Amino acid sequence: DAGVIQSPRHEVTEMGQEVTLRCKPISGHDYLFWYRQTMMRGLELLIYFNNNVPIDDSGMPEDRFSAKMPNASFSTLKIQPSEPRDSAVYFCASSLGQGGTDTQYFGPGTRLTVL
Amino acid sequence: SQQGEEDPQALSIQEGENATMNCSYKTSINNLQWYRQNSGRGLVHLILIRSNEREKHSGRLRVTLDTSKKSSSLLITASRAADTASYFCATDGSSNTGKLIFGQGTTLQVKP
Repeated sequence: DAGVIQSPRHEVTEMGQEVTLRCKPISGHDYLFWYRQTMMRGLELLIYFNNNVPIDDSGMPEDRFSAKMPNASFSTLKIQPSEPRDSAVYFCASSLGQGGTDTQYFGPGTRLTVL
Repeated sequence: SQQGEEDPQALSIQEGENATMNCSYKTSINNLQWYRQNSGRGLVHLILIRSNEREKHSGRLRVTLDTSKKSSSLLITASRAADTASYFCATDGSSNTGKLIFGQGTTLQVKP
């Protein structure tokens, strides 16, 4: 298996623009997680899905952030409009079972820079 | 606030030495996991220890768990330059919600 795939790997955009990050989880994994990592706040869970259904989105910073999982092999995280403080590395991870009892497999991340 | 907090924040050792990182957490847990992150990469799972286990080994890694003190330690023996990375502990918080809460991590530098 190719592992968790994320695209793009790097994104540079201007404030106010829409940004869409993409993730393909490992085939057969029922859980998908979106994280954000910054020096100041560390690794934060934004939202996670179980069988394509959002379970907990309490970590989503504000209404500018939205996430979807239209099918078992694809998820998107959208920021509209983007702001400089959204600059971070965004990771997608998937697991076979619950994240607390099972290994999470992380993608390589998308480094987002908002100017 | 973070469930897991690692100590020290940064550690620098010579190749061949042992490295010990500690993690403290606040609530009861079912499991605790350790992950490694190389610079510019995603996190990689190292080891999972359940709340009823006290010690676990995997190659050069040794993890201990003390639920009475709400703490865990990760020992890397005979360190190598390739072990240079950040190490994170993560807990499930016993909530069975399916999510992990990560600490801030320990940055380990192993000098050749």
